[in-house]
Amino acid sequence: AQSVAQPEDQVNVAEGNPLTVKCTYSVSGNPYLFWYVQYPNRGLQFLLKYITGDNLVKGSYGFEAEFNKSQTSFHLKKPSALVSDSALYFCAVRDMYSSASKIIFGSGTRLSIRP
Amino acid sequence: GAVVSQHPSWVICKSGTSVKIECRSLDFQATTMFWYRQFPKQSLMLMATSNEGSKATYEQGVEKDKFLINHASLTLSTLTVTSAHPEDSSFYICSALRTSNRGNTIYFGEGSWLTVV
Repeated sequence: AQSVAQPEDQVNVAEGNPLTVKCTYSVSGNPYLFWYVQYPNRGLQFLLKYITGDNLVKGSYGFEAEFNKSQTSFHLKKPSALVSDSALYFCAVRDMYSSASKIIFGSGTRLSIRP
Repeated sequence: GAVVSQHPSWVICKSGTSVKIECRSLDFQATTMFWYRQFPKQSLMLMATSNEGSKATYEQGVEKDKFLINHASLTLSTLTVTSAHPEDSSFYICSALRTSNRGNTIYFGEGSWLTVV
């Protein structure tokens, strides 16, 4: 069974500093990995995904994530945080060889950027 | 613009009544759609996989008679919460699978807030 873990409920960062939101995954086959952001009272917005290829994936709003197969991790990063980045971030995984195509989400990490 | 639309965005219903939420793929056909539920400050929990022309596949612990899913066309899946109770109040999000020769992409709707009073 596939699963994804986000060990931090909340991450606090000062504006202008780099940020990292952690994610580890578990799948039986090769993973599709995703990051989504959710603003208050809104649906999900896609940030980026890893399917294959370069381990460093660049996405929307200056975010990037690094796929590390040996550590089964897919941490989200940004070199310089903005106050507007404050939101709820979800890591998600889909088993590449699963016919069900369903995406499983982590528990979410609330990112708070202070001015 | 949005490629998956949910309606209504907000709905309040009385306890004991049923409420229907629609999920539409706007410019593509989706044989597979997914329904998620999100409690306040919690993650999205997959409820079921909706398959066009066949029965939905429910995740463990989800009552199929409580949460009726109908995927009657290639662009529409509906979730009906039957005999709603206050504990059914939640944020419901759907997603639709778009398949092409360049690969598969999943698009999410904006979500629907259900409040049962």
